[in-house]
Amino acid sequence: TQLLEQSPQFLSIQEGENLTVYCNSSSVFSSLQWYRQEPGEGPVLLVTVVTGGEVKKLKRLTFQFGDARKDSSLHITAAQPGDTGLYLCAGGRAGSYQLTFGKGTKLSVIP
Amino acid sequence: SQTIHQWPATLVQPVGSPLSLECTVEGTSNPNLYWYRQAAGRGLQLLFYSVGIGQISSEVPQNLSASRPQDRQFILSSKKLLLSDSGFYLCAWGLYTGELFFGEGSRLTVL
Repeated sequence: TQLLEQSPQFLSIQEGENLTVYCNSSSVFSSLQWYRQEPGEGPVLLVTVVTGGEVKKLKRLTFQFGDARKDSSLHITAAQPGDTGLYLCAGGRAGSYQLTFGKGTKLSVIP
Repeated sequence: SQTIHQWPATLVQPVGSPLSLECTVEGTSNPNLYWYRQAAGRGLQLLFYSVGIGQISSEVPQNLSASRPQDRQFILSSKKLLLSDSGFYLCAWGLYTGELFFGEGSRLTVL
């Protein structure tokens, strides 16, 4: 079974601070996706990374795929209360219809 | 553009009663469809996925079943609910790249 470990599980920071959350595995994935989920709603896709070492930026969010395609990180600059939510990473394998999800990092940004 | 809807949003059912959750997708043809369950602190658990009408793959043995009577309709059912079936159920449709787009979710409480 392929596992994706996310850390930290919980993170509470003040508005304006920077943060990084991690998604690690011992297995190689052909793609890795990040989703954000707000309470009572479905997850929303933020980004997909497919190339080892790839870096993608989405406004204040920076996503990186590890060189070996086993891990990924999400960095948020100057966090805002609107960034509050559960951040999930998910790994995909070529030829498979299934994703492996991590358990998520629950982020709270305090005004 | 593609949209996905699932209902009901909230459901409270007694143990032993039947269940039917419905999901429909608009704006795309022959989507891959998925049912996930999300328990508190446990991430997303894949229950069923379908790559076409009448084609259902089950990931977790349980008292739930799924059906796909039409191309863009996916139904999750149970004949007799258990307490352990409580949770947040998410329907999703997927691209060939593996990216998923989720519905709003259905909160099921079994008493």
